[in-house]
Amino acid sequence: DGGITQSPKYLFRKEGQNVTLSCEQNLNHDAMYWYRQDPGQGLRLIYYSQIVNDFQKGDIAEGYSVSREKKESFPLTVTSAQKNPTAFYLCATRYREGNYNEQFFGPGTRLTVL
Amino acid sequence: AQKITQTQPGMFVQEKEAVTLDCTYDTSDPSYGLFWYKQPSSGEMIFLIYQGSYDQQNATEGRYSLNFQKARKSANLVISASQLGDSAMYFCAMREPMYNTDKLIFGTGTRLQVFP
Repeated sequence: DGGITQSPKYLFRKEGQNVTLSCEQNLNHDAMYWYRQDPGQGLRLIYYSQIVNDFQKGDIAEGYSVSREKKESFPLTVTSAQKNPTAFYLCATRYREGNYNEQFFGPGTRLTVL
Repeated sequence: AQKITQTQPGMFVQEKEAVTLDCTYDTSDPSYGLFWYKQPSSGEMIFLIYQGSYDQQNATEGRYSLNFQKARKSANLVISASQLGDSAMYFCAMREPMYNTDKLIFGTGTRLQVFP
């Protein structure tokens, strides 16, 4: 099956712990994104990567870190420095052809800090 | 700054009726893209429809159509013949082309409930 997988689906973390969210894709898309969604809100961009070994901060990068060592993988680490990490996290890839542009989303990971 | 505004927190529609979900946007860039996504209670974001700023015709995808009024900076989603399965959150988003990032800026969403 082609697509984006995120794991785990639900994640519980104690305060002060780092945790890593997985995002894997087999769509062969170059660009990948991490978004955060809070209840009743739209998505906000945390980090993005347009190519392997390169990534850029989005609008709310503080307390998060990423890596892009392989085209297929773009893991997100939520560090203890993130003050309010409880949220729904969505990974996306971008397909672009000419003027057409679409982002595909994974199923998401719901993170709860206890 | 670029911004998306969805002023309807919730909408109700009867099955088989049409419904319009409002979206206005603000940008100074002449090249942009507008998207609508559906988010059911399971959480995944499902792409519905795309409109490029230079597209001459309104986008359509099956029962979904986008009423694009460039001068008014509006990109309303029209769902025809609503079905019970259309009940979900709907988000309007704009692609920010600056620096080629293709970052998406989202509105706060509209919760649509379809009743029999």
